[in-house]
Amino acid sequence: GEDVEQSLFLSVREGDSSVINCTYTDSSSTYLYWYKQEPGAGLQLLTYIFSNMDMKQDQRLTVLLNKKDKHLSLRIADTQTGDSAIYFCAESMGNNFNKFYFGSGTKLNVKP
Amino acid sequence: NAGVTQTPKFQVLKTGQSMTLQCAQDMNHEYMSWYRQDPGMGLRLIHYSVGAGITDQGEVPNGYNVSRSTTEDFPLRLLSAAPSQTSVYFCASRSSYNEQFFGPGTRLTVL
Repeated sequence: GEDVEQSLFLSVREGDSSVINCTYTDSSSTYLYWYKQEPGAGLQLLTYIFSNMDMKQDQRLTVLLNKKDKHLSLRIADTQTGDSAIYFCAESMGNNFNKFYFGSGTKLNVKP
Repeated sequence: NAGVTQTPKFQVLKTGQSMTLQCAQDMNHEYMSWYRQDPGMGLRLIHYSVGAGITDQGEVPNGYNVSRSTTEDFPLRLLSAAPSQTSVYFCASRSSYNEQFFGPGTRLTVL
């Protein structure tokens, strides 16, 4: 499968910004996703970006894509304790949108 | 809309037993899939289906069977459970806009 890599842990203080990073295996016409998983729950789609975009903003969330470095980041502004969860980066390939490849997840801990 | 539903939420099996994990969606999505989630490994695709009557293998298909007789349902069968299949299983369906929606998961333990 394709390699999607993330750091395992991130700890921030409430009110600070969080930046979660991901590297991926490039391909043409790729979608890149960010999912959030709270304890005992399934994955919730937060946002996604097409590979011909550099940035996407949605309220407190900003996704940045650096195609040259194959690097994707998710910035959460004004991080709240409710943002504590595991965040997964995922990729679907242009030659087969039916296959998604997930990173191992970054556990975000928000301290009050 | 209930979205993607899965049953059971928890299951304990003995080695060699068989069972079926149920998955249903009410969003009329053609594409459905099964993943397993293991600690530190993210989600890995087991099988997927692009419509009724059509299924294909993902990354880790061995030990699992699927069928897709209707658009709504996509059951996952374990014919002879093994301890290596202890995991959390997620079913998902994907919209035509490539947004994937996940069920709440089934936590399976094989003794």
